[in-house]
Amino acid sequence: QVQLQESGPGLVKPSETLSLTCSVSGASITDHYWSWIRQPPGKGVEYIGYVYYTGITNYNPSLKSRVTISMDMSKSQFSLTLSSVTAADTAIYYCAKTARVCDDWGQGTLVTVSS
Amino acid sequence: DVVMTQSPLSLPVTPGQPASISCTSSQSLVYSDGNIYLNWFQQRPGQSPRRLIYKVSNRDSGVPDRFSGSGSGTDFTLKISRVEAEDVGVYYCMQGTHWPFTFGPGTTVDLK
Repeated sequence: QVQLQESGPGLVKPSETLSLTCSVSGASITDHYWSWIRQPPGKGVEYIGYVYYTGITNYNPSLKSRVTISMDMSKSQFSLTLSSVTAADTAIYYCAKTARVCDDWGQGTLVTVSS
Repeated sequence: DVVMTQSPLSLPVTPGQPASISCTSSQSLVYSDGNIYLNWFQQRPGQSPRRLIYKVSNRDSGVPDRFSGSGSGTDFTLKISRVEAEDVGVYYCMQGTHWPFTFGPGTTVDLK
């Protein structure tokens, strides 16, 4: 059974960089695409981007200038960094397996942007 | 971006009765490989989204057979044949055909 677990700071100051990690178990990280998705409290769901072990990445144009998704195959982890955050980046951040069909999700982690 | 529209946005249901959610995309969701990447997710209160249906009509393992998906092109439907109390939550459609992938606004299903 695939398990994904997000980790990282729950509070980030405005203008700083948000960094999250997703730990994968139960699946080979080289066999699938891996995604980051977010959901602001009480709002809709936004696809951030995805990564493949070959280095392929794709980012939502709305965030492209600020986002990086990378992978550490040795640790079976992939990561999200989002720079120059504002209150609008406050959201539950989810990692998910695969890209087009998102079959497994982590439990999500709430990141609040506030001074 | 492809805009996903859902209706209704709120759906009060009587247990044991059927329910239906419509999802419409602003562009055809047929991908170059011939697949239609239209998925349905259920998000119960306080939980992360759980995929129910992928590629229009394929039900995930462990999903009760009272859930079914159908549609083509730009119009899709999720049906619950007989609603149960555990079905309460928000249902999202999501397209994985055109980048960036996008979600519908969600339909809140609750009991009358």
